Amino acid sequence: AQKITQTQPGMFVQEKEAVTLDCTYDTSDQSYGLFWYKQPSSGEMIFLIYQGSYDEQNATEGRYSLNFQKARKSANLVISASQLGDSAMYFCAMREGRSGGSYIPTFGRGTSLIVHP
Amino acid sequence: NAGVTQTPKFQVLKTGQSMTLQCAQDMNHEYMSWYRQDPGMGLRLIHYSVGAGITDQGEVPNGYNVSRSTTEDFPLRLLSAAPSQTSVYFCASRSLDRAFGYTFGSGTRLTVV
Repeated sequence: AQKITQTQPGMFVQEKEAVTLDCTYDTSDQSYGLFWYKQPSSGEMIFLIYQGSYDEQNATEGRYSLNFQKARKSANLVISASQLGDSAMYFCAMREGRSGGSYIPTFGRGTSLIVHP
Repeated sequence: NAGVTQTPKFQVLKTGQSMTLQCAQDMNHEYMSWYRQDPGMGLRLIHYSVGAGITDQGEVPNGYNVSRSTTEDFPLRLLSAAPSQTSVYFCASRSLDRAFGYTFGSGTRLTVV
C-alpha cells in the first residue's frame, strides 16, 4: 500500500486564483512529518513547506499553506494567488519516526499543476 | 555555492556498459541518498547512507551499488546498464539533526539504449 497518495495527476488553475493539491498519508507512527516539494520543468527539487505531526498550527510559507487534518490523514497544499511560475510538478512526502536520525522519506507520485493566464 | 553537485547532467549508455554517477556535497551532511524518478512513479529510493562507511538499500536497489568512503561523496554505480534503468537520478543530502531540509542535486538524466 502506498504511504503517500496524490490522487490528482494533473490540475489546472487560472492565474491569481487559489488551488489545493491533495495528499493523503498512511502511518502508524505518532511522530512524523510531511513535506511538499516543487519541481519546475528545469528539473530541480525545491523544498516548499513542512508540517510536523505535533504542530498544532497549519504551516505557512508565503503563498503556500499546508492544510493539515490529522484525523483524516491529509496534508493538502494550498497555493493562494497562483502565478504562471507556479506551473510545475508538486510532490508530497512523509518522514516517519522521530525528527532527527536516519529517517527515510517517502514521496508521492506527484501532481502536475498548470497555471493559465 | 554550497549544495549538492551531480555529474554528469546527461548520459547515454549502451546496454551492458557500466558507469558511475557522481554526487558531492559540501555542507557536511551525514545523510545522503539516491533516488530515481520515472514518469508517474514519483521518487523512489535506491540507496542511502547515514555516514562514511555506512550504506543501506532503499526501495529499488537492484542493479545499483554505492559506497561512502568520505562524508562529501556518495557515488552510484551501474555495473551493467539495462534499458529499465533509463531514468532521472537525484542525489539528496541533509543533516541528521534536522527534521527536514533536504538539499537535492540538479539531477542526472540517464538513457540506456
